[in-house]
Amino acid sequence: DAKTTQPPSMDCAEGRAANLPCNHSTISGNEYVYWYRQIHSQGPQYIIHGLKNNETNEMASLIITEDRKSSTLILPHATLRDTAVYYCIVRVVPYSGAGSYQLTFGKGTKLSVIP
Amino acid sequence: KAGVTQTPRYLIKTRGQQVTLSCSPISGHRSVSWYQQTPGQGLQFLFEYFSETQRNKGNFPGRFSGRQFSNSRSEMNVSTLELGDSALYLCASSPPLGAKNIQYFGAGTRLSVL
Repeated sequence: DAKTTQPPSMDCAEGRAANLPCNHSTISGNEYVYWYRQIHSQGPQYIIHGLKNNETNEMASLIITEDRKSSTLILPHATLRDTAVYYCIVRVVPYSGAGSYQLTFGKGTKLSVIP
Repeated sequence: KAGVTQTPRYLIKTRGQQVTLSCSPISGHRSVSWYQQTPGQGLQFLFEYFSETQRNKGNFPGRFSGRQFSNSRSEMNVSTLELGDSALYLCASSPPLGAKNIQYFGAGTRLSVL
């Protein structure tokens, strides 16, 4: 799986948009970008994923650059409950029985939402 | 739908003992993965089970083992505990193939080795 680079920490004012960058310059054509977050002492939570098109769901938006070498996770209106460590993971999606769901976590970005 | 359930939530053991942690996946999920999280090493993959077979294993010593039962429930065992085994152990289950490849995590078991 391709390696990702994220800033170690970011602050965001409550109610403002939080934009979390991720660099994955060695991504392969068949690798997806996944975002998970981990609120303190809880298990990681899936947020969103995409291949090359921008994606949006009820939690966030994912913007992937045209060359796919970087992406940005956007939390449109950050709340205090969004304070967490955010992990950007790049991986192939297995569609065969021999595939593995293993996730390789980096250090992530610690997002602090400030009142 | 109930989420991934891990028991117990907290555990205190002493060096040299062994421990067994349990994970019940989301109904219908056949893949169960285990991860270890420590402040120093972060989240590290231990192993993955699918249909009672281990199909992937991380770089951990043989003291760490696991198994999966026919109902997809999984257990992991750590023998001859060391102080460095103190960690949050997370279990994750995944839906059938092709369904977005998302892992759903439990709340974890926090193991303290004294």
